[in-house]
Amino acid sequence: EAGVTQFPSHSVIEKGQTVTLRCDPISGHDNLYWYRRVMGKEIKFLLHFVKESKQDESGMPNNRFLAERTGGTYSTLKVQPAELEDSGVYFCASSQDGIRTRDTQYFGPGTRLTVL
Amino acid sequence: AQTVTQSQPEMSVQEAETVTLSCTYDTSESDYYLFWYKQPPSRQMILVIRQEAYKQQNATENRFSVNFQKAAKSFSLKISDSQLGDAAMYFCACPGATNKLIFGTGTLLAVQP
Repeated sequence: EAGVTQFPSHSVIEKGQTVTLRCDPISGHDNLYWYRRVMGKEIKFLLHFVKESKQDESGMPNNRFLAERTGGTYSTLKVQPAELEDSGVYFCASSQDGIRTRDTQYFGPGTRLTVL
Repeated sequence: AQTVTQSQPEMSVQEAETVTLSCTYDTSESDYYLFWYKQPPSRQMILVIRQEAYKQQNATENRFSVNFQKAAKSFSLKISDSQLGDAAMYFCACPGATNKLIFGTGTLLAVQP
């Protein structure tokens, strides 16, 4: 069974440009999550999809970030326009059950975003 | 609010030796899972082990085991017979108020040959 995949693995862009990250969850997983780790800090939650619906987007830093999950399959996270502080590693995770306190999330390899 | 604390930013262990990584957490839930993830230099976040809080028995996965103290809200990870491939950043995580995971700041483990 394929794991969570993310594309690209690394992206380097100039400040003010747009970048779109993609995540393909494990097949059959209705729950999809985005997290971010800024250099040297903890991994922080961005948002949670259940199928195509945003269940919780409380961690999205501002309106420069837009996440979508078309048809409840893959998800994209767009940053527009990118700022220097957006640099970090963006992780996607998926889970099957989505039972709040007992939800096992499986992570992808992450996308390292560098904004110059 | 749920919090996770990893008090050891860096640890080092000799190959074949045992090391314990500490984690404490705070939650008001009674039934929950706790997780240890590792992130090696390749960057892939890998689930190492999961502990079900309602189970008194400590979880074990091959050379990895936990020491779960529910009353103390402590969830340490023991790695036995350390191998070079165990070198990684290790994150402890617990469930947040919604489905999100709350992570600690991580412990960078170095394995010395």
